[in-house]
Amino acid sequence: DAKTTQPTSMDCAEGRAANLPCNHSTISGNEYVYWYRQIHSQGPQYIIHGLKNNETNEMASLIITEDRKSSTLILPHATLRDTAVYYCIVRVRAAGNKLTFGGGTRVLVKP
Amino acid sequence: DTGVSQNPRHKITKRGQNVTFRCDPISEHNRLYWYRQTLGQGPEFLTYFQNEAQLEKSRLLSDRFSAERPKGSFSTLEIQRTEQGDSAMYLCASSYTSGGTDTQYFGPGTRLTVL
Repeated sequence: DAKTTQPTSMDCAEGRAANLPCNHSTISGNEYVYWYRQIHSQGPQYIIHGLKNNETNEMASLIITEDRKSSTLILPHATLRDTAVYYCIVRVRAAGNKLTFGGGTRVLVKP
Repeated sequence: DTGVSQNPRHKITKRGQNVTFRCDPISEHNRLYWYRQTLGQGPEFLTYFQNEAQLEKSRLLSDRFSAERPKGSFSTLEIQRTEQGDSAMYLCASSYTSGGTDTQYFGPGTRLTVL
């Protein structure tokens, strides 16, 4: 699976949009971009995933650049409960493949 | 949908003892994964099952570790002769696939402390 690079940490203001970047310059055509988050002492929570088109669900939006070498996770209105470690993961498009977690971005939402 | 459940949530044991953890996946999910997470690190893959068949094992899964998924439902992870280095959060995830990609949903984890 391709390697991802994320900032170690970032702060954002409550009520504002949080934009979390991820670089995956070696991504292959058959690899999806997945985002998970992990709130302290809990299991990772699935957020969203995409292949090449932008995706939106009730939690977030995923913007993937046209060359697929980077992506941005957008939390439209951050709340204090969004404070967590966010993981960007690139995963081969095939069932049964493991998730390879990096260090993630530690996001602190401040009042 | 009650989500993935894991028991116990916390386990404290003495070095050399055996421990067993249980994971109940989301109903109808045919794939089940085990991960381990040490403090300050992201989760690391240990093994996964499709139905009752164990299809892949990480090199992290030493001979002291064994996982089973009888009848393709719940799964157990046993660690024999525990060592202090086994202290970690053990995470279970499940997914459904009929081909193509699958999305894994995680349980709350079992935190193991080996004294």
